[in-house]
Amino acid sequence: EVKLQQSGDELVRPGASVKMSCKASGYTFTDYAMHWVKQSPGQGLEWIGTIIPLIDTTSYNQKFKGKATLTADKSSNTAYMELSRLTSEDSAVYYCARFYFDYWGQGVMVTVSS
Amino acid sequence: DVVMTQTPVSLSVAIGQPASISCKSSQSLVGTSGKTYLNWLLQRPGQSPKRLIYLVSKLDSGIPDRFSGSGSETDFTLKISRVEADDLGVYYCLQGTHFPLTFGSGTKLEIK
Repeated sequence: EVKLQQSGDELVRPGASVKMSCKASGYTFTDYAMHWVKQSPGQGLEWIGTIIPLIDTTSYNQKFKGKATLTADKSSNTAYMELSRLTSEDSAVYYCARFYFDYWGQGVMVTVSS
Repeated sequence: DVVMTQTPVSLSVAIGQPASISCKSSQSLVGTSGKTYLNWLLQRPGQSPKRLIYLVSKLDSGIPDRFSGSGSETDFTLKISRVEADDLGVYYCLQGTHFPLTFGSGTKLEIK
């Protein structure tokens, strides 16, 4: 069974960074790229970027360049996303999703507050 | 960026009645491979999105055939032949042809 298990919700201070994880199981991690998607409160969905774990190649939405950094650890079948210089605009739920959007993680709620 | 325009914004449908959602893209979604990377997702309340349909009209495993997708180039439609209570939530179209990937703004389906 394919599963994407994301790390827990985060409460972070403005200006800080946060790194979240997405652990894949039930398939060969390096066979598929991984997307990250943002959902702001009560809003729709935005594509942040994609990482191809096999070759450590990333592609970002221009809007999130400098904000999000995608990495992957092939040894632990885990994808990571780090968000930097957080502001209230970054408060949202963040999802990982396998390349064809056929499987999604449960989401990480990030709250930026002092 | 490709703009995905979804209509209606919301829909109230009685059980057993049909429903239809439109998604129009600002440019053709036919890729260089000849394939059209248009997906439909459903996000039930409090849940992650779930893919229902990919490549315009292919149903995901376990999705009832009450759901169907159609369209081409820039004009796409999701139809539910007979709405059931479990269908409530927000439906999104998603294009995977052009970077950045973009979503429609969503259609909220309520049960009347």
